[in-house]
Amino acid sequence: GAVVSQHPSWVICKSGTSVKIECRSLDFQATTMFWYRQFPKQSLMLMATSNEGSKATYEQGVEKDKFLINHASLTLSTLTVTSAHPEDSSFYICSAREGLETQYFGPGTRLLVL
Amino acid sequence: DAKTTQPTSMDCAEGRAANLPCNHSTISGNEYVYWYRQIHSQGPQYIIHGLKNNETNEMASLIITEDRKSSTLILPHATLRDTAVYYCIVRVRGNDMRFGAGTRLTVKP
Repeated sequence: GAVVSQHPSWVICKSGTSVKIECRSLDFQATTMFWYRQFPKQSLMLMATSNEGSKATYEQGVEKDKFLINHASLTLSTLTVTSAHPEDSSFYICSAREGLETQYFGPGTRLLVL
Repeated sequence: DAKTTQPTSMDCAEGRAANLPCNHSTISGNEYVYWYRQIHSQGPQYIIHGLKNNETNEMASLIITEDRKSSTLILPHATLRDTAVYYCIVRVRGNDMRFGAGTRLTVKP
């Protein structure tokens, strides 16, 4: 199957700093990428969807100025958590899709904000 | 996309078949049934999907009832590594994946 990678897998940062997470599709062109967030013992929640070269579409309740998404190429999307606070600590998972086909998911990035 | 209903949890003996049910009674004609699983602390893994016909791949089989209102994911010989949360998602091709609570499958020795 198609492979999606994320970097870093773990990040610990101080409150108030910004953190960037990278998501790459390794063997296909990701025309659409997705970012999800998962809190402990909960299911995945979609945060935003982005098409290559376009602005991301955010789900209701997700602050676009806090979670900056860039999808500048067909293999790379980045999520930047700006001015992170402890309540932003979570498991962030990206997903990618070529055209209308199946979505494939990355391994996730665990963020801990102290 | 149509809503799905899955049991909260299930147990299965190692080496036996695991049959995970999913109800999707409001499914429409152009919606596909997708199955993913999430092993602890990892991203979801795609398993299989189908529209009307039964499907089989190296991981599992998907049985969809004739009226398409329910489906069953079959892991033919469950191993301890199959312990995970399994998600059944009904989706129009091109829509994003939305996750419910899924079924927590525990494979026991």
